[in-house]
Parts: sequence; structure tokens; C-alpha cells
Amino acid sequence: EAQVTQNPRYLITVTGKKLTVTCSQNMNHEYMSWYRQDPGLGLRQIYYSMNVEVTDKGDVPEGYKVSRKEKRNFPLILESPSPNQTSLYFCASSSARSGTGGLNTEAFFGQGTRLTVV
Amino acid sequence: GQQVMQIPQYQHVQEGEDFTTYCNSSTTLSNIQWYKQRPGGHPVFLIQLVKSGEVKKQKRLTFQFGEAKKNSSLHITATQTTDVGTYFCAGIVSGGYNKLIFGAGTRLAVHP
Repeated sequence: EAQVTQNPRYLITVTGKKLTVTCSQNMNHEYMSWYRQDPGLGLRQIYYSMNVEVTDKGDVPEGYKVSRKEKRNFPLILESPSPNQTSLYFCASSSARSGTGGLNTEAFFGQGTRLTVV
Repeated sequence: GQQVMQIPQYQHVQEGEDFTTYCNSSTTLSNIQWYKQRPGGHPVFLIQLVKSGEVKKQKRLTFQFGEAKKNSSLHITATQTTDVGTYFCAGIVSGGYNKLIFGAGTRLAVHP
């Protein structure tokens, strides 16, 4: 079954304690991204990756890191979490159409990770 | 910055009534996608529109892409309780194909 898997689904942590949210997809997609969802703000992109070892900032990258060492995995790292990073996080993947390299196909989302930083 | 505005933020309807949500972009879009997120769930792709003036239908759902490729709408005819959720539009700015910019979403509540 084609899917994007995030772990953990729920996480409560304390300010400053490093954490990693994992994301894995089994569809051989080139493009992966992380979003945070906050009430009234919709989905805001944190980071994205066009392929292995290729990452770039989205709209709200401050306080986050990512890596793309393998095509299927795209972990989100919070080196020193703060309460304003309390949010619902989604990982997504999609196939980039060959030739253009552009994002032209549907995005598949993971189940989400609800993070609370106290 | 590049933005996709979506209205209304909330819509409450009686079952059987119609529903429409609108998206407007400050810049021309190469395409626009629509997603539905059920309460407690994750966004699920509904459709993608690419051509200027394009209209697509999925059963009771009608999607439109404006002639100038700066606006789009989703219309649901005769809503059902299964339509409950938040509907997001997401645009890809022309020339900025790496980024999918989401609207804030419209939360639909359907009263039986």
C-alpha cells in the first residue's frame, strides 16, 4: 500500500530537548516536504527536498533542520524546541514530473504528528 | 510574499444546501490543487486544475480555475454529512514549481 509514515503521532516534550520526527515514503517519490498546521493559518511549508541531498527552506524554516540521505526518508529535526513550535506537523511526498522537475502531481500526506512543547 | 487567500474560513450549512469555497492568488498560478481534511485526519488530494478556465466535476463537487489562473472555486451541490471537513486549495506559482502554497482552508460543518 502506497503510504507516507510519520512517527511519532503524538509527542509532548520540554523546551530545549532535541527531537526528531521521522517520515518515510514507499512510493519512490523525489519530492518530500514538511508542513506545520496551525488554526487559521492553514499548512505552511517548513522545508522541502527535491531529491537526495537536495533540501531548501520553505516559508517557516526557523528552528528546524532536515536531511535527505535516502530517497525514502526525510526526518524533521528540532534542535532546541520552543513552545511556539507546538503544532500539528505533516510530511508529504509527491512525484516530480521528469523533464521539468516541477511539482505537478498530487501530494501524499502522512498521518500527522501532534507536537506539544512545554 | 506569495499568498493564496481562501474564503470563507468557516461555513455551516444544513444538509442538502450547497457550499462554495473560493481561492485567490496574488500571482498567476501554473496549477491549483484541492485537498480535503476530515476532522482528525490528514489532507487528501481531490483534484488538480491546470488550464485557464478549466472546470472539472467529481459527482457533487465542481472545481473551477479562473481565466487568469489567479482564482479557483470548489462548489458542492446538496451537501451531505460525509462532506464535513476542511477544504484547502494549494497553488503552484508560475515559475516557482518547487513550492505548493496552501490557502488557510474552509471548514465545512453540515447539520443533518
